[in-house]
Amino acid sequence: AQTVTQSQPEMSVQEAETVTLSCTYDTSESDYYLFWYKQPPSRQMILVIRQEAYKQQNATENRFSVNFQKAAKSFSLKISDSQLGDAAMYFCAYRSARYMRFGAGTRLTVKP
Amino acid sequence: DVKVTQSSRYLVKRTGEKVFLECVQDMDHENMFWYRQDPGLGLRLIYFSYDVKMKEKGDIPEGYSVSREKKERFSLILESASTNQTSMYLCASSLYGGQDYEQYFGPGTRLTVT
Repeated sequence: AQTVTQSQPEMSVQEAETVTLSCTYDTSESDYYLFWYKQPPSRQMILVIRQEAYKQQNATENRFSVNFQKAAKSFSLKISDSQLGDAAMYFCAYRSARYMRFGAGTRLTVKP
Repeated sequence: DVKVTQSSRYLVKRTGEKVFLECVQDMDHENMFWYRQDPGLGLRLIYFSYDVKMKEKGDIPEGYSVSREKKERFSLILESASTNQTSMYLCASSLYGGQDYEQYFGPGTRLTVT
């Protein structure tokens, strides 16, 4: 069974600085997608970024980028120029043909 | 914009009660999902549905059942609520079941069973 591990329960970053959230996963499949979701306090979870496993190029969405290392089964999220609105729980997720598995989450605090 | 709504944000029920959690999506999505979210455990899939009246068990289906009579509505049922079912419940939908299709989430229902 696929598992997703986020080793950092909590992270903190100064406003305007850069922070990297870690995620590793375990799978024997070759075809899958990886996602980072953001859950702001008391608000709906939203998609931040996605990565297709067969693509070597790392995905980028504005200030958010990933470092996808397929051989190492690592999928970290980098947030550049952190803003107060980035404060949230971040979940890494793995999706295969049938359904999705999530990590335990990382709570990100942004200090002004 | 896709909208996924859940019938209640907060719910308090007694042990042994039958509990219904309702979820509605407005974008004609084929797939719908129920998760529970617990601190330190992330989201765990309870059930999902890929079509009307079709359902499949997820990772933790015990103590739960689901119903999907209409495409836009997916209900989670706790037949006899227990205290260990106190949790945040999230509903999600996606257009299709393929790996690349984003899941859209509802706001969640925080259920407390006393």
